[in-house]
Amino acid sequence: NAGVTQTPKFRILKIGQSMTLQCTQDMNHNYMYWYRQDPGMGLKLIYYSVGAGITDKGEVPNGYNVSRSTTEDFPLRLELAAPSQTSVYFCASSYVSQGADGYTFGSGTRLTVV
Amino acid sequence: AQTVTQSQPEMSVQEAETVTLSCTYDTSENNYYLFWYKQPPSRQMILVIRQEAYKQQNATENRFSVNFQKAAKSFSLKISDSQLGDTAMYFCAFMNLMNYGGSQGNLIFGKGTKLSVKP
Repeated sequence: NAGVTQTPKFRILKIGQSMTLQCTQDMNHNYMYWYRQDPGMGLKLIYYSVGAGITDKGEVPNGYNVSRSTTEDFPLRLELAAPSQTSVYFCASSYVSQGADGYTFGSGTRLTVV
Repeated sequence: AQTVTQSQPEMSVQEAETVTLSCTYDTSENNYYLFWYKQPPSRQMILVIRQEAYKQQNATENRFSVNFQKAAKSFSLKISDSQLGDTAMYFCAFMNLMNYGGSQGNLIFGKGTKLSVKP
């Protein structure tokens, strides 16, 4: 059971470039999330999805886009990368009805924008 | 809006001793979960312990236990018999179980406490 898989693990982007962070889960979880973790700031929610075809903004959505065409996949798109998007990005999934189990997290993507 | 505050940016403890990490939160809700996550240098987020707000009994998982004070909105983590492998960032997190605008199930994190266990 792979859980939540994120790719790539590391990436360096130049200012203005675009990229997609991939996230896939094999647990048939209906909820999926993208967080960013800045040094000393904890994790902040970027976007979340309650099921295929449904997405919504979190606390810090500017500069990002998401889609959820299948239950398994929840890619995060960065358009026109900026230095402020340098961060570690985590994808997570959960059954809300089983909220006591919390989330299952991916191993993160460290992104540097130069 | 809910907030989670961890007032100790860094802490250290000697191996085999006990340490307590503090967490307070602010919410007007009555139905929620609280969690402690561990993030070692590998960056992986690992669930340590969870507490349902409707349960008065404090949760315990082996060497990890919590002191949940609902009225005070406090949720501290106690690590007994600290081990070198406990060295990590520890995050307190809150989950609202009421579906307001689709926010049901979103985890809200504190800024974390960096714990160092010294030999």
